[in-house]
Amino acid sequence: AQRVTQPEKLLSVFKGAPVELKCNYSYSGSPELFWYVQYSRQRLQLLLRHISRESIKGFTADLNKGETSFHLKKPFAQEEDSAMYYCALKTSGSRLTFGEGTQLTVNP
Amino acid sequence: KAGVTQTPRYLIKTRGQQVTLSCSPISGHRSVSWYQQTPGQGLQFLFEYFSETQRNKGNFPGRFSGRQFSNSRSEMNVSTLELGDSALYLCASKDRASTGELFFGEGSRLTVL
Repeated sequence: AQRVTQPEKLLSVFKGAPVELKCNYSYSGSPELFWYVQYSRQRLQLLLRHISRESIKGFTADLNKGETSFHLKKPFAQEEDSAMYYCALKTSGSRLTFGEGTQLTVNP
Repeated sequence: KAGVTQTPRYLIKTRGQQVTLSCSPISGHRSVSWYQQTPGQGLQFLFEYFSETQRNKGNFPGRFSGRQFSNSRSEMNVSTLELGDSALYLCASKDRASTGELFFGEGSRLTVL
C-alpha cells in the first residue's frame, strides 16, 4: 500500500539558515510526488512537483528512488517560509496520499 | 478566475443527522475531489468525480457519498453523522490537462455534537 512519511511534525530554524523537510514514500508503482504548502489563513496550494524539476521560492526537491525520498530543501530560509508543508504522492487521477505535514517556523 | 468555492464554511450538527456540503470548482475544471482533514488522521482522500462519474473512492464507509452535476459542481453527503466525522472537508478541482496540480477550496468545517 502507498504511504508517505514526514518524520518531523515541527521544524524550527533561524532566518538565513538552510532548511530541509524530509519526506519518504512507499509505493510499488512509478511515483509522482508533490509538495503542498499552507500558509497561515490561506488555502492549501501546490509548491512544487518532482516532474517539473523546478525551483519555487528558492525551494527544490529531488526524487531519490533508491532511498524512496523526496526531501524539500532551501539554502537560506526566510520568515515568510513559515507554514505547514505536506508531501504528497499521486496514485491515480486526483487521488493524493498526503504525509502528516511538517510545521516549519523560521525565527528572525 | 475565481478559486474553488465551498459552502457552507462552518456548520454544527448532532449525531445521527445528515449533512450536505457543496463545492464549485474553478471554471473549466471538470475533475473534483474531496478530502477529509482531521488532527489525528491528516488529509485523507474521499472520492473523485469527473464528468459526473465517480472515478475513485477512498476507504470511507458508505455513509459518505458524493455526486457531480453537469456544470461540474459537486456535493458530498454524510448520513448518520458520528462524532468522529468532525473534520475539515476540502474540495479540490483539477484541469484535465494538468500534470497533477490540485486547486483546493478553503474547506467546510463540520462539527458533530
